[in-house]
Amino acid sequence: DAGVIQSPRHEVTEMGQEVTLRCKPISGHNSLFWYRQTMMRGLELLIYFNNNVPIDDSGMPEDRFSAKMPNASFSTLKIQPSEPRDSAVYFCASSIREDYGYTFGSGTRLTVV
Amino acid sequence: GIQVEQSPPDLILQEGANSTLRCNFSDSVNNLQWFHQNPWGQLINLFYIPSGTKQNGRLSATTVATERYSLLYISSSQTTDSGVYFCAVSGGSNYKLTFGKGTLLTVNP
Repeated sequence: DAGVIQSPRHEVTEMGQEVTLRCKPISGHNSLFWYRQTMMRGLELLIYFNNNVPIDDSGMPEDRFSAKMPNASFSTLKIQPSEPRDSAVYFCASSIREDYGYTFGSGTRLTVV
Repeated sequence: GIQVEQSPPDLILQEGANSTLRCNFSDSVNNLQWFHQNPWGQLINLFYIPSGTKQNGRLSATTVATERYSLLYISSSQTTDSGVYFCAVSGGSNYKLTFGKGTLLTVNP
C-alpha cells in the first residue's frame, strides 16, 4: 500500500492566485480529513468526508476555501484567492471510519508571497 | 468542544533513558490517538487507543478513559525518537479529532 498520497509536496504562489491541493486516500478507507498546521494554531481540522460526503466543514476558515471529493480515491482542497496568511502545511489523512486510527499523507507546504 | 492538554511541553533525554508523556482530556472520548511528528514533518500514527493498553516494541500506551487521561511510554530511547508527540481526541457524538499542543522530545546521543 502506498499510503495517503498528497501533491504537490511544496507550492509557492503569489497572493491572489488559485491554489489546488490534491489527496489520494488509502484504498478501502471511507473517511478523509484535511488538516492545516501552523506554528500559531497547531493542527486544525478543516473538513472531513465520509463515503465522499462532506460531514463537517466548520473548520474551513472562510469562503475562499473549498473542498471536494468526487470519488473514493481523490479529494481536492482549493484556495481562491490565496493570501499570505494561508501559508501553512496542509495534511490529508484517511481512515477506515471516522472514529478509528488515521493515516496521514506527507503534507503540502504552501507558501503565499 | 473537548479540551486536550499534554505534558510536559518539552523533554530532553539521554539515549537509553525512559520517559512518560501524558495527555489529559476534558470529556469522554470515542477516539484517542498518539502521533509522532519527526523532524522532517511526517506524522506517524503510533497508537489508536480510546481505552486500555497497547504495546509496540519500545513504545506502549495506556488510556484510562474513566479518569480522562492517557500515557505514552518510551523505553530505551533512541535519537530517532526525537520529534513532537501529539495526543488527539474526539468525544461524544462529535468525531472531529482535536490535537493537543504536543510534547517536543529531544534524545541526545
